[in-house]
Amino acid sequence: NAGVTQTPKFRILKIGQSMTLQCTQDMNHNYMYWYRQDPGMGLKLIYYSVGAGITDKGEVPNGYNVSRSTTEDFPLRLELAAPSQTSVYFCASTSGTYRGGYEQYFGPGTRLTVT
Amino acid sequence: AQTVTQSQPEMSVQEAETVTLSCTYDTSENNYYLFWYKQPPSRQMILVIRQEAYKQQNATENRFSVNFQKAAKSFSLKISDSQLGDTAMYFCAFMKHVPGGTSYGKLTFGQGTILTVHP
Repeated sequence: NAGVTQTPKFRILKIGQSMTLQCTQDMNHNYMYWYRQDPGMGLKLIYYSVGAGITDKGEVPNGYNVSRSTTEDFPLRLELAAPSQTSVYFCASTSGTYRGGYEQYFGPGTRLTVT
Repeated sequence: AQTVTQSQPEMSVQEAETVTLSCTYDTSENNYYLFWYKQPPSRQMILVIRQEAYKQQNATENRFSVNFQKAAKSFSLKISDSQLGDTAMYFCAFMKHVPGGTSYGKLTFGQGTILTVHP
């Protein structure tokens, strides 16, 4: 049971480049989330998904896109990278149930630098 | 919209002593959950403790306990017998709850408090 895995761990992008951050969970959770964490700050929600084929915007969605074709995978796409997207990105998942305590399980994060 | 405020950017404590981290929140919701997450230098986010708003009893998990004051919208974390491994950034988080429905589990985080435990 690996939990939530993210790849890559680190990445440096040039301005205008694109990339996809991968996220996979093996807990059969319906709910998945992408957050970003700027230096010294809390996490802000970018996008979330309540099941395969269903996604919605969070607090800071501009410059990002997501898809959810399977329960396990929830990739985050950055188009036309900008320096403002330099951040640490976390993927998380939860069963979304009372029995599960609504606990979110987080991946190890991806540190992205855009120069 | 909900907001979560942690007014202490940094705290320090001696090993074996007790420390309290503060958190206040603003919401018009009556049903919600509050969480404390720990982020050590490894960057991994770890759930420390959770509190259901409709429960008056404060949650406890071993050395960790909370003081939940619903009317004051305050949710502080007390760490007893502090250990070196408690050194981390601590985040307070809010989740709206829809009984019988779905809240989508979205979390609103505070800015975090860096806790350093000194030997």
